Amino acid sequence: SQTIHQWPATLVQPVGSPLSLECTVEGTSNPNLYWYRQAAGRGLQLLFYSVGIGQISSEVPQNLSASRPQDRQFILSSKKLLLSDSGFYLCAWMENTEAFFGQGTRLTVV
Amino acid sequence: TQLLEQSPQFLSIQEGENLTVYCNSSSVFSSLQWYRQEPGEGPVLLVTVVTGGEVKKLKRLTFQFGDARKDSSLHITAAQPGDTGLYLCAGALGNKLVFGAGTILRVKS
Repeated sequence: SQTIHQWPATLVQPVGSPLSLECTVEGTSNPNLYWYRQAAGRGLQLLFYSVGIGQISSEVPQNLSASRPQDRQFILSSKKLLLSDSGFYLCAWMENTEAFFGQGTRLTVV
Repeated sequence: TQLLEQSPQFLSIQEGENLTVYCNSSSVFSSLQWYRQEPGEGPVLLVTVVTGGEVKKLKRLTFQFGDARKDSSLHITAAQPGDTGLYLCAGALGNKLVFGAGTILRVKS
């Protein structure tokens, strides 16, 4: 069966520091992968999605970037974090329009 | 502007009451999904509705897809404290899955 791993679960970073969040999927090949951000327990904002290795679509102009170096690996990065980057980040893979999420990363920028 | 509008934003009810959550859009979707999320965790898929007018039941939860495939509703019968959580509707647009802002449900015992 397919599983999705996302880490770390929580992260506290100072303003101006870099960021790297990693997501890996097991049990499927060539999945569509997604990064979402969620503020204050509300709806999910789509940040990036990828339909294959090296293919990244950005939905919202921002201080973040994404990369897909391997088929089942999706990375969210920032060179310099801002306070406004704080939030709950979720990785997901999608099959037949249904999304399956990781456990999320709570990022606090201080 | 939200592509999917959910209402109400927040609902606090007593155990045993019934409730309905709505998800509306001006766009036509090939399918809509409902997810439930607990604090600190990722959303979990509850159901997918595909056909206009479709009704699906999951124990005390009833999901309906509008005839025009632009809206959906979630009805919970005899709510229980375990139903507490954030309910999200989502629709697929090509390779993207877009979400509503969610409805926070609190069921008090």
